Amino acid sequence: DTAVSQTPKYLVTQMGNDKSIKCEQNLGHDTMYWYKQDSKKFLKIMFSYNNKELIINETVPNRFSPKSPDKAHLNLHINSLELGDSAVYFCASSQWVAQDTQYFGPGTRLTVL
Amino acid sequence: SQELEQSPQSLIVQEGKNLTINCTSSKTLYGLYWYKQKYGEGLIFLMMLQKGGEEKSHEKITAKLDEKKQQSSLHITASQPSHAGIYLCGADISGNKLVFGAGTILRVKS
Repeated sequence: DTAVSQTPKYLVTQMGNDKSIKCEQNLGHDTMYWYKQDSKKFLKIMFSYNNKELIINETVPNRFSPKSPDKAHLNLHINSLELGDSAVYFCASSQWVAQDTQYFGPGTRLTVL
Repeated sequence: SQELEQSPQSLIVQEGKNLTINCTSSKTLYGLYWYKQKYGEGLIFLMMLQKGGEEKSHEKITAKLDEKKQQSSLHITASQPSHAGIYLCGADISGNKLVFGAGTILRVKS
């Protein structure tokens, strides 16, 4: 019974393509996040949603568009992929927006060729 | 510059030895979280500290938050190969999001 799941685990694609990563949590949490971890393992928040509403957008290029169809899902769509988008993308969830433990998914390793 | 500084960047210890990883901020931390990441996997939550002076332990791992709530340390006693991985501290600095340190890579030699 996976708490936070992501698909796919690996994604290899060409520059210029459009791709999506899906995230689902079965913890009943109200808040979900997308993080990017670069090659140096530095983890940085991209987006945060609470009850399907966007609450954090950390100056991410508008080629990245998150979508939350319901509280349990937060998908990430990326248009016109660039080499610099290669990274591991993590989804996470927590009950509250602030000062609450976040639980992470296994990550999606995106490689743009 | 990063809002959270972790040290050391990497660490190699002999099995059975103790070790400490530090996480420092110039700002007050409103919640300090320690996570462990194994290669190719997600982050596993270890502990959360909120109060100044707070200390928590889980098995052989102990984490402390200093009185000023600007520094935390993670201490592993009698390290084992299963402790190997990347340790990340995350902190709620602005009140609505976590920022993370750059991580500490721990290798344990048998």
